[in-house]
Amino acid sequence: GENVGLHLPTLSVQEGDNSIINCAYSNSASDYFIWYKQESGKGPQFIIDIRSNMDKRQGQRVTVLLNKTVKHLSLQIAATQPGDSAVYFCAEKIQGAQKLVFGQGTRLTINP
Amino acid sequence: ETGVTQSPTHLIKTRGQQVTLRCSSQSGHNTVSWYQQALGQGPQFIFQYYREEENGRGNFPPRFSGLQFPNYSSELNVNALELDDSALYLCASSSGTGGGQPQHFGDGTRLSIL
Repeated sequence: GENVGLHLPTLSVQEGDNSIINCAYSNSASDYFIWYKQESGKGPQFIIDIRSNMDKRQGQRVTVLLNKTVKHLSLQIAATQPGDSAVYFCAEKIQGAQKLVFGQGTRLTINP
Repeated sequence: ETGVTQSPTHLIKTRGQQVTLRCSSQSGHNTVSWYQQALGQGPQFIFQYYREEENGRGNFPPRFSGLQFPNYSSELNVNALELDDSALYLCASSSGTGGGQPQHFGDGTRLSIL
């Protein structure tokens, strides 16, 4: 399909806890995936990416997991901080295509 | 390193008018993509420019057109504006068109149609 779906539209976590944001994608021909963070009034900010020949990739406080068998992508944020509050989008890129296909996003809220 | 910059930040137009939005790509990036983001939605791909030519287009009518200049900057033009064109227009640049290069976004132009 045209849209990458998300399991949960909103997620609320305690400061210091780990956050997990999930994403389901529909096109098995997708070979590249990106997570973006979008704060109010700003454009999407690149967080981390992963290619389809990998199943895990780690960055600073973030980890992306890719399960191609069930077409599932997740973003794990360790020790969530107030500055992590934002809308998070996953996006997929179909092999040979130019466009990124985005989902509707998950709003992450951090409770003090 | 200079990131993606877009101008103007906000714009108000009326139905039937025409608008031009501008984007300067991140240094070292030669590919520019434009997206439309409606309130509460994810960005939707409009088109991409590479080597000053359109290199892929989404499901948008011909009244959405663009240009890319030799310095890789780009313009998005929309003619005969409609109320549904009200949205955040995002520009993203990348170093190449192939897979595996992340697109980096500007903060967008908020277009309101009255």
